[in-house]
Amino acid sequence: AQSVAQPEDQVNVAEGNPLTVKCTYSVSGNPYLFWYVQYPNRGLQFLLKYITGDNLVKGSYGFEAEFNKSQTSFHLKKPSALVSDSALYFCAVTYTGGFKTIFGAGTRLFVKA
Amino acid sequence: DGGITQSPKYLFRKEGQNVTLSCEQNLNHDAMYWYRQDPGQGLRLIYYSQIVNDFQKGDIAEGYSVSREKKESFPLTVTSAQKNPTAFYLCASTLTSGRAGEQFFGPGTRLTVL
Repeated sequence: AQSVAQPEDQVNVAEGNPLTVKCTYSVSGNPYLFWYVQYPNRGLQFLLKYITGDNLVKGSYGFEAEFNKSQTSFHLKKPSALVSDSALYFCAVTYTGGFKTIFGAGTRLFVKA
Repeated sequence: DGGITQSPKYLFRKEGQNVTLSCEQNLNHDAMYWYRQDPGQGLRLIYYSQIVNDFQKGDIAEGYSVSREKKESFPLTVTSAQKNPTAFYLCASTLTSGRAGEQFFGPGTRLTVL
């Protein structure tokens, strides 16, 4: 079965420290991977995606993610966290032969001043 | 401004009532989606439409219905057959139905059953 896992319900980081939000996937064929962010009572906003090419993808607001095919992972990273980064983050994947997007359960990021 | 609008922002429904959630986009996107969001469960796909006058059931379509009479509009009706409709509902669209495109989301409608 196709699936996306975000193993941490919550990540706590101090402002200025690097942050990582983890994502692993299990899909058939080549995955297309996405990260979205959701602020309270709002829709999701697209951050970045991996389709092909360079494994390190850079996106909005200083975020980046690294595609690791052997570990089937697509972790979201930022070198220096801001309090305003506090939000709910979703990893998502589409896959060969599939039209639907599968979303992870989400990871809540808290950045403390 | 281009984007997706959803209305209303908050909706209250009595047991046994049908309610319709509006979703409109002016992005000229072909594909549109409805998701349901519950705490700790991520997003679950209710219905999707790749082109006008065509739509398919998602993973949790029971108790819901949709129409796609215009490219810009994809309303969702929550029927009385939906046993647990209280949730946050999100509409989204992509330029094409291809799997490489990111989705653009509306601001959501929070439905509460009284």
